[in-house]
Amino acid sequence: NAGVTQTPKFRILKIGQSMTLQCAQDMNHNYMYWYRQDPGMGLKLIYYSVGAGITDKGEVPNGYNVSRSTTEDFPLRLELAAPSQTSVYFCASDIYNEQFFGPGTRLTVL
Amino acid sequence: GQNIDQPTEMTATEGAIVQINCTYQTSGFNGLFWYQQHAGEAPTFLSYNVLDGLEEKGRFSSFLSRSKGYSYLLLKELQMKDSASYLCAVKDSNYQLIWGAGTKLIIKP
Repeated sequence: NAGVTQTPKFRILKIGQSMTLQCAQDMNHNYMYWYRQDPGMGLKLIYYSVGAGITDKGEVPNGYNVSRSTTEDFPLRLELAAPSQTSVYFCASDIYNEQFFGPGTRLTVL
Repeated sequence: GQNIDQPTEMTATEGAIVQINCTYQTSGFNGLFWYQQHAGEAPTFLSYNVLDGLEEKGRFSSFLSRSKGYSYLLLKELQMKDSASYLCAVKDSNYQLIWGAGTKLIIKP
């Protein structure tokens, strides 16, 4: 099992550019999450999904979109990148009260 | 509002014991979690408490008091590899995790 995988590991974007952060899991978990983590701060929930075809907003959804067409994949889309979106992004899936995290994507918007 | 408080940083000596506290105020409670996060890495699960009392897992133990909105993580026989941030998180009434900012633990020889 690869667990939760994320690509890319690092990315630098210019203001106004768009990109998709990829996330996949091979554990057949229904629940998946996207978080961002700013330096010295806790994780903030962006979007989550309870199963294929179902997504919902978390605490900080503005500027992001998600889709969940399969159980395995949960991509996060940034449409118009802004410097405030500079952060580390973690994807996670969970079962039985334990969340499994991907390695993260470190995004810088200049 | 929802709030989770934990100390920003703690220092301890190799071989010693350290207790990291967490207090919370959330809309509803469906469990409290502790995660370990090494610098530049993803968080990894340490423990889960939903009932009052102490849960022991090897060198790590976690305690919960729901009436006081309080938990602690106890680390025994500290090793250098325990240098990391320790994140407290509470699952609220919507079953979403609310995270504290984390406690950076520095272990000195």
